[in-house]
Amino acid sequence: QKEVEQDPGPLSVPEGAIVSLNCTYSNSAFQYFMWYRQYSRKGPELLMYTYSSGNKEDGRFTAQVDKSSKYISLFIRDSQPSDSATYLCAMRTQGGSEKLVFGKGTKLTVNP
Amino acid sequence: ETGVTQSPTHLIKTRGQQVTLRCSSQSGHNTVSWYQQALGQGPQFIFQYYREEENGRGNFPPRFSGLQFPNYSSELNVNALELDDSALYLCASSLKVDRATEKLFFGSGTQLSVL
Repeated sequence: QKEVEQDPGPLSVPEGAIVSLNCTYSNSAFQYFMWYRQYSRKGPELLMYTYSSGNKEDGRFTAQVDKSSKYISLFIRDSQPSDSATYLCAMRTQGGSEKLVFGKGTKLTVNP
Repeated sequence: ETGVTQSPTHLIKTRGQQVTLRCSSQSGHNTVSWYQQALGQGPQFIFQYYREEENGRGNFPPRFSGLQFPNYSSELNVNALELDDSALYLCASSLKVDRATEKLFFGSGTQLSVL
């Protein structure tokens, strides 16, 4: 079993839709949870950063972490064509090298 | 823009050759990490450098090595290139305070093709 599982999609939605992206994980030591957006041939761009369980909102983006279920989500409201990208979940433990463990990424297309 | 720059953007090498990739960290950041991203996969951790010392390593063989310089720029060296080394190599810088790192900021990567 991989440490982080993410459905690679692809996911195609109409403009204005609510998008739900999810990851599950197996390592209960993960404490920090992130969502990155990656456009084609670019590096990942940090979207959301959350410590432990709970919700965090930033504009049209909401990140949720449920540590009891080992499940994290990213919601995008009023999706725009410019949101078309690959979305990567990432997580890490506290201390040490603090390496990030990434999911495979979900490719999202928002159609005008 | 993240302030993390990588060079070159693209590189083509043949099997068995050696390659050096370069990264300039965001100003004020004291930690640099390198990741390998194969096509259709998430990035995989190679290693991290903090204050010029290796501070953790992923599941990569010793032919992957690195350096961090006093100005916090960094190099990734790969010897004896193999076809499977073809990937996007990402550098990420961060600020470690009291041995705790906040957020990582990635460069745009170097696309390495091994023929």
